[in-house]
Amino acid sequence: GDSVTQMEGPVTLSEEAFLTINCTYTATGYPSPFWYVQYPGEGLQLLLKATKADDKGSNKGFEATYRKETTSFHLEKGSVQVSDSAVYFCALSGTGSGGSNYKLTFGKGTLLTVNP
Amino acid sequence: EAGVTQFPSHSVIEKGQTVTLRCDPISGHDNLYWYRRVMGKEIKFLLHFVKESKQDESGMPNNRFLAERTGGTYSTLKVQPAELEDSGVYFCASSQGQGASHEQYFGPGTRLTVT
Repeated sequence: GDSVTQMEGPVTLSEEAFLTINCTYTATGYPSPFWYVQYPGEGLQLLLKATKADDKGSNKGFEATYRKETTSFHLEKGSVQVSDSAVYFCALSGTGSGGSNYKLTFGKGTLLTVNP
Repeated sequence: EAGVTQFPSHSVIEKGQTVTLRCDPISGHDNLYWYRRVMGKEIKFLLHFVKESKQDESGMPNNRFLAERTGGTYSTLKVQPAELEDSGVYFCASSQGQGASHEQYFGPGTRLTVT
């Protein structure tokens, strides 16, 4: 079946450090990748997404490029802040594996802690 | 605009009891989803409604789980009887429009603990 593999944490960085969280997937069809974020005490919210190959999604200084040839959607940020501390989830929809094409398949999540 | 709301935020019940979780999607969103995260594992899809119809319930674990969406508005997820392995956080999400690339808006989740 479809699956998403993301870098397992926890990840601890100092403020202004560079962040990469790797995400790769196996899926049928033409999936759409997403990054969701869950801040402490809150629900999941969309961070960024891509809709076609080589698209770069970006938001709040985070970026991710959808690479179909490597089935990847790695998340990056050049300079993290304390307020970026959260759990980050890589997800896919539109995998065409049957049933609802809209359902999201998630990775396990990566806990990021940024220290001042 | 109000977001997706879920009730209760936390429920503790004994094995064998019944629990009903409620989700109110964003007004006007035809698509409603249920997901579950069991401790230490991925968030897993349970089912998808389009208005009041079940589009896909392939993720429902077994027949102890029953989901409904009356009149295409709010949805309930009933677990009867609850088992220990049902413990986890149950998320509801909603989305509008056609296509798999549309954003799903998530509620804060209901933490279910079965003892």
